This record gives sequence, structure tokens and C-alpha cells, in this order.
Amino acid sequence: SQQGEEDPQALSIQEGENATMNCSYKTSINNLQWYRQNSGRGLVHLILIRSNEREKHSGRLRVTLDTSKKSSSLLITASRAADTASYFCATSGANNLFFGTGTRLTVIP
Amino acid sequence: DADVTQTPRNRITKTGKRIMLECSQTKGHDRMYWYRQDPGLGLQLIYYSFDVKDINKGEISDGYSVSRQAQAKFSLSLESAIPNQTALYFCATSDRDGRETQYFGPGTRLLVL
Repeated sequence: SQQGEEDPQALSIQEGENATMNCSYKTSINNLQWYRQNSGRGLVHLILIRSNEREKHSGRLRVTLDTSKKSSSLLITASRAADTASYFCATSGANNLFFGTGTRLTVIP
Repeated sequence: DADVTQTPRNRITKTGKRIMLECSQTKGHDRMYWYRQDPGLGLQLIYYSFDVKDINKGEISDGYSVSRQAQAKFSLSLESAIPNQTALYFCATSDRDGRETQYFGPGTRLLVL
């Protein structure tokens, strides 16, 4: 399967703490993306990192990519209750994206 | 107004019935996708379309069919619904390259009894 695998499957933290989730994949990629899904809703694109990039920032989000290890991490700093959601990594295939099974993040106020 | 809309948002049907889920977009994107999400799982690609005349099967196309009526409209049909097709269905779009950012609709929750 070309799907990424997120780790951990679930994460619970206190508001204000940082949250880190990881994604591992198996094949070579053009880019890797992270999406957020609030309960039962559509996915929202957060950030895209290309295969020739090692780190990217967007607001409180920091994404790293290690193509030699075929892995990526998403760091959310100073978490808020509104960050409670599922987070998915998506790896680029020939024509499409392949989504992992997600990390369920709960931020406790 | 939302860029990608799906109708209906919720649907209950019985085994053996034919149903259609519809997706419309105002983003002007050429590429459209249908995904299925089962509880606690990721998204699986059902079908995708690069333009009106180009439709391709995804990972799990059996039991489904699609129609691209126009650049802005992409419909998913279940010819004879079965209970294990109970899931959350998402439509998405992308501009030119399917490996780039995809924009998702709000989803259709389908229950097959």
C-alpha cells in the first residue's frame, strides 16, 4: 500500500502544550501534505512540503520531512482546544494522493 | 458559499436500492475525486476524473459508478447498495495536478440498512 501511517493513533494533551505526530510512508514521493478533519467534516489542507524541502512552517505548524527515512512529522505549538481534530498525512502518488489512517488529537482546556 | 458542495448530506437507504450522491464545485478545477471514509480509518479513493472525458478507477471502485456531467459536477452512484457501503463519502477537487492540494466537500453520511 502507498498509504502513510500516522503515529500515534491518538494523542491527548493539555492546552498550551505542543503536539507532535508522525507519518511514515513506503514509496518515493513528490510531496507530502497534512490535512485536518474536524469530527465528521471534510478535510482541510494544512501544509504541503515538497520532497526537496526538509522543514516548513505555517503559523503554529511546523512540518519536517526526511526522505531518507521516509518519514514526516507535524508539530503544533501552543495547542488550543480548537486544535482538537484528526490529522492525516497524504503522500503523492502518480496522479493522486494516498491518505493515512490519521492521528486523533484531543486538546484538553 | 462553499466552494465544494455535496448533496445530500445524510442519506438512509435500504439494501438493493440505487442511490446517487452529487458533488458540485465553483473552484474551476479540472480534477475531481470521490473518497470513502470508514469509521476510524483514512480515506480510500473510489474514482477520479481529470476532465469530463477522462474517468479513472481508484482503489475501491467495485459496486460504484460515476458520471462527470460537466467540469463542475461529478456524481457517484451505488447501483445496488449493500450494508458494507455504509460510510462517509467525500468529494474533492484539485487544480491540474492531483498530487497537489485537494479541496474537500463537507461529506455525505450514508447508511445502508
